[in-house]
Amino acid sequence: EPEVTQTPSHQVTQMGQEVILRCVPISNHLYFYWYRQILGQKVEFLVSFYNNEISEKSEIFDDQFSVERPDGSNFTLKIRSTKLEDSAMYFCASSDKPDLQETQYFGPGTRLLVL
Amino acid sequence: RKEVEQDPGPFNVPEGATVAFNCTYSNSASQSFFWYRQDCRKEPKLLMSVYSSGNEDGRFTAQLNRASQYISLLIRDSKLSDSATYLCVVIGDSWGKLQFGAGTQVVVTP
Repeated sequence: EPEVTQTPSHQVTQMGQEVILRCVPISNHLYFYWYRQILGQKVEFLVSFYNNEISEKSEIFDDQFSVERPDGSNFTLKIRSTKLEDSAMYFCASSDKPDLQETQYFGPGTRLLVL
Repeated sequence: RKEVEQDPGPFNVPEGATVAFNCTYSNSASQSFFWYRQDCRKEPKLLMSVYSSGNEDGRFTAQLNRASQYISLLIRDSKLSDSATYLCVVIGDSWGKLQFGAGTQVVVTP
């Protein structure tokens, strides 16, 4: 069964450093998402991406965040200058169409720890 | 008011028993509803969509009450492997933007 993959599985970084989280969505999917889950809290939507541009972003997704699809397979989330509160699990998701019964398939996540 | 609210539990359920729990949502314009399952430190996985007329998938039954703005999940004949956190997920007025509840923890005991 096709699956979304993410790398790295864990990332430890110093506050103020840039991090890039990588995702390979399911190959025939066209809609991509990033979510985050702070430990013990709910999963929160960050951004949706389609046709090489952002479709929607949340209040969390400020100027420190950016997304890119640099080639035909990867989808990346960059945090320019990490803060302590960016420590969370970051999930990538993809779907083939955003309709009423859309199924988003989630990757296994990258656990980011900012020290 | 939170957009999607759930009883965090835990619901401790003997193996073979039935457990049910609800989720409320605040946006009356919400269009789609789902139950996802999340195991500890893992990604959310779709359990089932929730249709207006209610629907069943094996031992799992989901109901939607639009008037009262809640959805429910019932698990029959609980298995040890049903132990997980069950996430209520709603799509409001933005395609693709899943809104998650904080989850209801279910612990099935032998």
